[in-house]
Amino acid sequence: AQTVTQSQPEMSVQEAETVTLSCTYDTSENNYYLFWYKQPPSRQMILVIRQEAYKQQNATENRFSVNFQKAAKSFSLKISDSQLGDTAMYFCAFMKKDNYGQNFVFGPGTRLSVLP
Amino acid sequence: GAGVSQSPRYKVAKRGQDVALRCDPISGHVSLFWYQQALGQGPEFLTYFQNEAQLDKSGLPSDRFFAERPEGSVSTLKIQRTQQEDSAVYLCASSPSARKSSYNEQFFGPGTRLTVL
Repeated sequence: AQTVTQSQPEMSVQEAETVTLSCTYDTSENNYYLFWYKQPPSRQMILVIRQEAYKQQNATENRFSVNFQKAAKSFSLKISDSQLGDTAMYFCAFMKKDNYGQNFVFGPGTRLSVLP
Repeated sequence: GAGVSQSPRYKVAKRGQDVALRCDPISGHVSLFWYQQALGQGPEFLTYFQNEAQLDKSGLPSDRFFAERPEGSVSTLKIQRTQQEDSAVYLCASSPSARKSSYNEQFFGPGTRLTVL
């Protein structure tokens, strides 16, 4: 079974600064995806960024980038130029690649507050 | 187009009551997932449908939980004889396909917050 750990229950950052959220996971699989999802107070989960395990290049989406260390099973999210709208719960998630159901295994989340 | 919708958004039930939670996926989406999110936790997988077939129900916590998707579109999650530990947000997600070899993005609904008194 896979597990996902997020060791930072809460974090805060000043507007316009950079923050890094940590995630580690445990799996015996070789082919998988990793994700960061954002859940604002309205509770609708929104995909932030996705990484395929076989790709060595770290994924980037505008102000969001990841540091994927496959050997260490680490997948951190860096948010640059933080904005007030980034305030939300952030969940790291794992998905097996060759799984017809493709359900997520989520971590417990990190509550990020962006301060004005 | 419309996203995934869920109803009701909030439900309060007395212990022992039966509840039914509805999910309307994005039109044409093949795959549908239910997740349970306890307060302060990440979502946990409950069950998966491919069209009308329930292919995985390994996450359902007890036989009081039942899900169906009879026509391959709308899905209902039913909880019988609710208990306090059933209090959670129930999330539904849909995905356009079910290909094994490639990633199929899941789109989440806003969830139903169930409170059992």
